[in-house]
Amino acid sequence: SQQGEEDPQALSIQEGENATMNCSYKTSINNLQWYRQNSGRGLVHLILIRSNEREKHSGRLRVTLDTSKKSSSLLITASRAADTASYFCATDTQGGSEKLVFGKGTKLTVNP
Amino acid sequence: EPEVTQTPSHQVTQMGQEVILRCVPISNHLYFYWYRQILGQKVEFLVSFYNNEISEKSEIFDDQFSVERPDGSNFTLKIRSTKLEDSAMYFCATNTGLGSSTNEKLFFGSGTQLSVL
Repeated sequence: SQQGEEDPQALSIQEGENATMNCSYKTSINNLQWYRQNSGRGLVHLILIRSNEREKHSGRLRVTLDTSKKSSSLLITASRAADTASYFCATDTQGGSEKLVFGKGTKLTVNP
Repeated sequence: EPEVTQTPSHQVTQMGQEVILRCVPISNHLYFYWYRQILGQKVEFLVSFYNNEISEKSEIFDDQFSVERPDGSNFTLKIRSTKLEDSAMYFCATNTGLGSSTNEKLFFGSGTQLSVL
């Protein structure tokens, strides 16, 4: 089964607008993380939300988690051209596995 | 901010050749990982390494793959006999392992782009 599927696959917005990306997963989790990847670079951790949390904020980032729907959303407010990147959700799996399962990501383009 | 360093950034090799990808973890990190990303595909877990031994590996990490920490600083991924389908971006990731789960907040290197011809 696929874990960590983001949508949309691509999103293009104007600077100053908000960007919302969604992630769905299939198995029970302990936490869900969002990472950003600039073109040709490694992934950078943005924010982690635990299974007992519903919402979390960090600067211009807002993450929600709905464990009943097995979904999460990442909202970037007041977007900037520098936010242009691919965004991935990553889920762990209950049972002590160390691996993170990543989705294919949402490619965000913020036009100046 | 401290960072994970990977070398080389690009590696081109012939099918059947051995390659070694290198990673220098952040100094106080204890957990090390290799992930790979085939072009246009998801980032996939290969292996985790803690206390000088493999703690978990995926089905991708077959007998052709090995990892070691030869000198206490570098963390290497070796592919013994490369195949065309091994072409991918390989990422090293590390963390302190001090979160509730050991896989929280991974720090990724910039990756090694491996091209097998």
